[in-house]
Amino acid sequence: DAGVIQSPRHEVTEMGQEVTLRCKPISGHNSLFWYRQTMMRGLELLIYFNNNVPIDDSGMPEDRFSAKMPNASFSTLKIQPSEPRDSAVYFCASSTGTSREQYFGPGTRLTVT
Amino acid sequence: AQSVSQHNHHVILSEAASLELGCNYSYGGTVNLFWYVQYPGQHLQLLLKYFSGDPLVKGIKGFEAEFIKSKFSFNLRKPSVQWSDTAEYFCAVMNNAGNMLTFGGGTRLMVKP
Repeated sequence: DAGVIQSPRHEVTEMGQEVTLRCKPISGHNSLFWYRQTMMRGLELLIYFNNNVPIDDSGMPEDRFSAKMPNASFSTLKIQPSEPRDSAVYFCASSTGTSREQYFGPGTRLTVT
Repeated sequence: AQSVSQHNHHVILSEAASLELGCNYSYGGTVNLFWYVQYPGQHLQLLLKYFSGDPLVKGIKGFEAEFIKSKFSFNLRKPSVQWSDTAEYFCAVMNNAGNMLTFGGGTRLMVKP
């Protein structure tokens, strides 16, 4: 199994631009999670999906952030417009309903200048 | 709401020293507890987990953790650290529904050769 796949691995963009981060969960996993990691705030859960449905998005910082999961094998996290304070590493993780162990992707390091 | 506290933010040890990283959680229900490790520049990997049963849990790479319910603690231990253990360690608690994983702030461990 290839594990959780995220793209791009690195993204550098200018303030005001739209950023789209992508995630492919492990095949057969029905839960998907988006996290943000910063030095100041550590690891924060942004949103999670179960069976492609958003269950809890209370961690999404503001309306500039949106996430979708159109099918079981793909999810996006979009920031529009991006701001320098959005600079962080964004991790995607997936799990099955029974194991409860979350498998993390390699992350996307986002830098907004 | 669940929360996790890791009181040691930075730990520096020499090789062969013993390690104990503190983790205290707050959650009113049945807890599922995890320790993840993040090596420099890499994604989070599971070290060990506790769901039920023997409160002393053994994980990979010689790590173990002990769940002490009366102290709301799940400390991570290793009798003899190696330089390759240099990483950041995260304690996490999952709610009983299995859909919310809350991380502690992490402990950065540096092992001097």
